[in-house]
Amino acid sequence: AQSVTQLGSHVSVSEGALVLLRCNYSSSVPPYLFWYVQYPNQGLQLLLKYTSAATLVKGINGFEAEFKKSETSFHLTKPSAHMSDAAEYFCAANTNTNAGKSTFGDGTTLTVKP
Amino acid sequence: DGGITQSPKYLFRKEGQNVTLSCEQNLNHDAMYWYRQDPGQGLRLIYYSQIVNDFQKGDIAEGYSVSREKKESFPLTVTSAQKNPTAFYLCASRDRGLRELFFGEGSRLTVL
Repeated sequence: AQSVTQLGSHVSVSEGALVLLRCNYSSSVPPYLFWYVQYPNQGLQLLLKYTSAATLVKGINGFEAEFKKSETSFHLTKPSAHMSDAAEYFCAANTNTNAGKSTFGDGTTLTVKP
Repeated sequence: DGGITQSPKYLFRKEGQNVTLSCEQNLNHDAMYWYRQDPGQGLRLIYYSQIVNDFQKGDIAEGYSVSREKKESFPLTVTSAQKNPTAFYLCASRDRGLRELFFGEGSRLTVL
């Protein structure tokens, strides 16, 4: 069984500050890991994905995430927040053993203050 | 452009009525999924289908039904047996060779 935990349901940063959204996973096999972003009343769109090719993954809109197996973590970062980054972010895991189903964390709402 | 189309965007239902949410994709993806989203609870899997004419229950299938008669279409019916149907419903699809999901814009169902 796999699970995904996002630490902090709400994160608030000032414009221009570092963004750090935390994600930890639990899986009996190496998972593929994803970060998705959701704007109000819209679907989710993929920010970035880890597929074991490289531990540091770069995504869209200046976001990146680092896979740390020893810490079972996949935290999302952005050096400088922009007002347009305000949204809800979901971490997800997917393994070979669950028919392609993804398990999602509960989400983190990012607020960016001017 | 390829994508997933969900309709209607907003739907209101009286208690005791069944409603059907449409999901159509032109991405030629084999697998399709229905998720329910409630505030603070992330996404929970309702049903999924990996191939035409076959589907499996997810974690919260009670009170829902689906069909997969065509590769492009995966409609979800919210039945009167669903005790708390007010939620945001998301349809997604996945290419066989990839792991990430492609999502529609969602359908918001409100029971009056």
